[in-house]
Amino acid sequence: EAQVTQNPRYLITVTGKKLTVTCSQNMNHEYMSWYRQDPGLGLRQIYYSMNVEATDKGDVPEGYKVSRKEKRNFPLILESPSPNQTSLYFCASSSGLAGDTGELFFGEGSRLTVL
Amino acid sequence: GDSVTQMEGPVTLSEEAFLTINCTYTATGYPSLFWYVQYPGEGLQLLLKATKADDKGSNKGFEATYRKETTSFHLEKGSVQVSDSAVYFCALSPLGGFQKLVFGTGTRLLVSP
Repeated sequence: EAQVTQNPRYLITVTGKKLTVTCSQNMNHEYMSWYRQDPGLGLRQIYYSMNVEATDKGDVPEGYKVSRKEKRNFPLILESPSPNQTSLYFCASSSGLAGDTGELFFGEGSRLTVL
Repeated sequence: GDSVTQMEGPVTLSEEAFLTINCTYTATGYPSLFWYVQYPGEGLQLLLKATKADDKGSNKGFEATYRKETTSFHLEKGSVQVSDSAVYFCALSPLGGFQKLVFGTGTRLLVSP
């Protein structure tokens, strides 16, 4: 089954304790991205990656890092989490084919609470 | 910059009622437009899309027409079901692709039996 898998789905942590949210897709997609969803703000893009070793900032990259060492994986790293990073996080992927205007495939989300 | 504006929710309807969720956008050039749906506890999934002016996207009884003159992409369904209860997001792709998808704030739809 084609899917985007995120882990953990739920996490409560404390300020300053480094954490990683993993994302893996099994569709051989070139493009992957991270979004955060906050009430009243919709989804905002954190980082995206067009291919292995190619990452770029989205609209709200501060406080986050990413890496793309393998095509299937795109982890999101919070080096020193703060309470304002409490949010619902989504990983998404797409085929990235030339002229492709379409569909993003989303994971089920990771709800992060930073105390 | 590019932006998407959606009507605030929640939208509360009875089963079989007609649905409209308004969406307007601001963008340079000719963006592609999308509606995504988020069911409770799940990630977003593409509902429909339109890539050029006057295109109509449709899926599962939902429709939306790309109106360049009014910069709108309103979502409609003739007869909603309880199973349509979800959050609906309008989005645009400013480069004509997906790299920098810009989402609206989402509109929650609640359908009662």
